[in-house]
Amino acid sequence: TQLLEQSPQFLSIQEGENLTVYCNSSSVFSSLQWYRQEPGEGPVLLVTVVTGGEVKKLKRLTFQFGDARKDSSLHITAAQPGDTGLYLCAGALHYGGATNKLIFGTGTLLAVQP
Amino acid sequence: EAQVTQNPRYLITVTGKKLTVTCSQNMNHEYMSWYRQDPGLGLRQIYYSMNVEVTDKGDVPEGYKVSRKEKRNFPLILESPSPNQTSLYFCASSSGYYNEQFFGPGTRLTVL
Repeated sequence: TQLLEQSPQFLSIQEGENLTVYCNSSSVFSSLQWYRQEPGEGPVLLVTVVTGGEVKKLKRLTFQFGDARKDSSLHITAAQPGDTGLYLCAGALHYGGATNKLIFGTGTLLAVQP
Repeated sequence: EAQVTQNPRYLITVTGKKLTVTCSQNMNHEYMSWYRQDPGLGLRQIYYSMNVEVTDKGDVPEGYKVSRKEKRNFPLILESPSPNQTSLYFCASSSGYYNEQFFGPGTRLTVL
């Protein structure tokens, strides 16, 4: 069974602080996705990283895929209350064929206090 | 607007009473999935379908059935629900090599 561990599980910070969320596995992924889920809604895709060492930026969010493609991090600069939500990483395993199987992490629940 | 819809959004039922949760997508995606989300366990895939009439088990398929008679619809059927199926259920569709998921809004199911 492939596992994708996220840390921390919970994070409560003040507006303006920086934070990093980690996603780790012993498996090698063909790509890795990050989603954000707000209360009462389904997860929404933020980014997909594909190449080992790749860094992508989405406004104040910076995503990095580990060199060995086993881990990833999400860094938020100057967090705002609108960043509050559950952050999920999902690693893609390619078993052959036209698509990939996704393994989801258990999530990091972020609360940004005004 | 591109979207995945699910119905109902909330459902309280009793053990053994068959139920169906509908899912529909308007993006012409070939791949659709059902997930359940439980505290501490994350999102786990129940069933998936790679195209019409092609379905396969995910990681937690016991107690569930699905069908894919049309490309846009992928209903989830619980023939005899039990309390351990109380959960938050998400339908998702995707296309492309990276299998990026478009999720529906979720169905919160309680089985008494």
